[in-house]
Amino acid sequence: AQSVAQPEDQVNVAEGNPLTVKCTYSVSGNPYLFWYVQYPNRGLQFLLKYITGDNLVKGSYGFEAEFNKSQTSFHLKKPSALVSDSALYFCAVRDADYGQNFVFGPGTRLSVLP
Amino acid sequence: GAGVSQTPSNKVTEKGKYVELRCDPISGHTALYWYRQSLGQGPEFLIYFQGTGAADDSGLPNDRFFAVRPEGSVSTLKIQRTERGDSAVYLCASSSLAGRRDEQFFGPGTRLTVL
Repeated sequence: AQSVAQPEDQVNVAEGNPLTVKCTYSVSGNPYLFWYVQYPNRGLQFLLKYITGDNLVKGSYGFEAEFNKSQTSFHLKKPSALVSDSALYFCAVRDADYGQNFVFGPGTRLSVLP
Repeated sequence: GAGVSQTPSNKVTEKGKYVELRCDPISGHTALYWYRQSLGQGPEFLIYFQGTGAADDSGLPNDRFFAVRPEGSVSTLKIQRTERGDSAVYLCASSSLAGRRDEQFFGPGTRLTVL
């Protein structure tokens, strides 16, 4: 069975500074990895995904994530945070070799301070 | 274009009652997912449809939960004999199997409260 951990409930960063939201995962087979963002009173929105290929994945709104197989991590990053990036971020994994069962992490609340 | 819509947006019911939650996916999306999200947690997978058939229902917690998608578009999640523990936001998502595969588009959710 697959699982996802987001070790930080809350991340605070000053506007203009780089941000990192951490995610580690566990799957039996090959991982498909995703980041989603949830703004207040809005539905979950897709940010980016890793399926195969380059370990550095670029996504929406200037976000990127790095797949690290040895550390089983898929941390979300952005070089310069904006106040409007403040939201709830979810990491998710699907085992490519088994079904369509997506497992989401518990979420990390990002607060970007002006 | 229209996104994923879910009705009702809120549903309050009493313990033991039957409820139906509806999802209208994006037109042309053959894949449809149902999730349940409790407060402070991430979405929990319930069931996945590919067309009309439930290709993966491993997340349904028990036989009180059932979902259908008879024409491969609209889906209904049905919960029998509701319990207080069923209270959560029920999310629906759809995706295409071509191109942007595995990118799920989520609806706003139905907040179910069981009193």
